[in-house]
Amino acid sequence: DQQVKQNSPSLSVQEGRISILNCDYTNSMFDYFLWYKKYPAEGPTFLISISSIKDKNEDGRFTVFLNKSAKHLSLHIVPSQPGDSAVYFCAASASNDYKLSFGAGTTVTVRA
Amino acid sequence: EAQVTQNPRYLITVTGKKLTVTCSQNMNHEYMSWYRQDPGLGLRQIYYSMNVEVTDKGDVPEGYKVSRKEKRNFPLILESPSPNQTSLYFCASKSAGTAKKNIQYFGAGTRLSVL
Repeated sequence: DQQVKQNSPSLSVQEGRISILNCDYTNSMFDYFLWYKKYPAEGPTFLISISSIKDKNEDGRFTVFLNKSAKHLSLHIVPSQPGDSAVYFCAASASNDYKLSFGAGTTVTVRA
Repeated sequence: EAQVTQNPRYLITVTGKKLTVTCSQNMNHEYMSWYRQDPGLGLRQIYYSMNVEVTDKGDVPEGYKVSRKEKRNFPLILESPSPNQTSLYFCASKSAGTAKKNIQYFGAGTRLSVL
């Protein structure tokens, strides 16, 4: 049973607009969350992370929001650029556990 | 350049023919892991290794073996591949230390087809 869920398989957004990717989790032991980005024929690369002691983390155009009570996190990309077109994976881990549990991924397409 | 290298990148084989996918990292990482990616399921962990000679099962270990005789290498072995092992495989590594900063570095992937 998947403990991390990304319910939107795909997202299409116009260049310059905001992309919002959502992720839900079920395991209350998860306390560290990451987003990975994957281009075709490449491995996933780390994008941004957030610890459960925070509710927001920003890095340039990327912001991750965490709502612990709802067991929900989201990734905002503002403004979206064509190079952001990729698959985005949400991942989570529990304290002192190196294992990452991944969602199924969301394919983002940024239209010019 | 810091990297995780997997070989081969693409492999087509037949049922029952033993194969090995190699993984090597040059970052002196203690932790290494294998994942498979399937449509609608994301990445699922097959096996992991906390250090040399220390390996353990992940979520989907059936039909796979691993070994960790050297710190830099973590090969994935399919003794008798079956069609349900057709998938995209990723090797990953991370430095031991604060598990909170659980950023893993991934190889480029191996696409395996078992006929």
